[in-house]
Amino acid sequence: DTAVSQTPKYLVTQMGNDKSIKCEQNLGHDTMYWYKQDSKKFLKIMFSYNNKELIINETVPNRFSPKSPDKAHLNLHINSLELGDSAVYFCASSQEPYGYTFGSGTRLTVV
Amino acid sequence: AQSVSQHNHHVILSEAASLELGCNYSYGGTVNLFWYVQYPGQHLQLLLKYFSGDPLVKGIKGFEAEFIKSKFSFNLRKPSVQWSDTAEYFCAVSVNDMRFGAGTRLTVKP
Repeated sequence: DTAVSQTPKYLVTQMGNDKSIKCEQNLGHDTMYWYKQDSKKFLKIMFSYNNKELIINETVPNRFSPKSPDKAHLNLHINSLELGDSAVYFCASSQEPYGYTFGSGTRLTVV
Repeated sequence: AQSVSQHNHHVILSEAASLELGCNYSYGGTVNLFWYVQYPGQHLQLLLKYFSGDPLVKGIKGFEAEFIKSKFSFNLRKPSVQWSDTAEYFCAVSVNDMRFGAGTRLTVKP
């Protein structure tokens, strides 16, 4: 019954590795997002997808690439992980006028 | 793009005290406004939202917020806080996407 689900919940990996975080929503929403929450709790939007088209791409490194195989999924792939990538990553979906629904987050730790 | 500022970084209150957390946004057009709460180690949960209509919005857990258009503000209030309200509170503004304020940490002492 989970509306927006992310996997994995925790991810510990070494510098230089490539990893993916998966996100799925069963709400039928049109738009999905990725947010990064840093150690100071600041939430910053990274990407959003609307009908499989990227409509926002904030100034994030090109090591980060969102991939949307269909309307219900928006995965985040990260190449060559760096220490500064350690954060909590939240997936969200939205449909006007209902607002946003967030996933439970993925805590990424790069060592 | 819209931006959001939250005035208080950390607020410490005793139980039963009244709470008001400030939020101001900058955007010239129509916005949707939200308050989210994040309990320690948890994900974001929606407290309340304003799209249109009555500017005084009531949310869950006894929280309310008032939209004052002339002041570009959307302050969060609760008449009497509880220890379980200890959390991080985020104001957010949605135009084409949702932008968050820096958050206010609320600590309620028992």
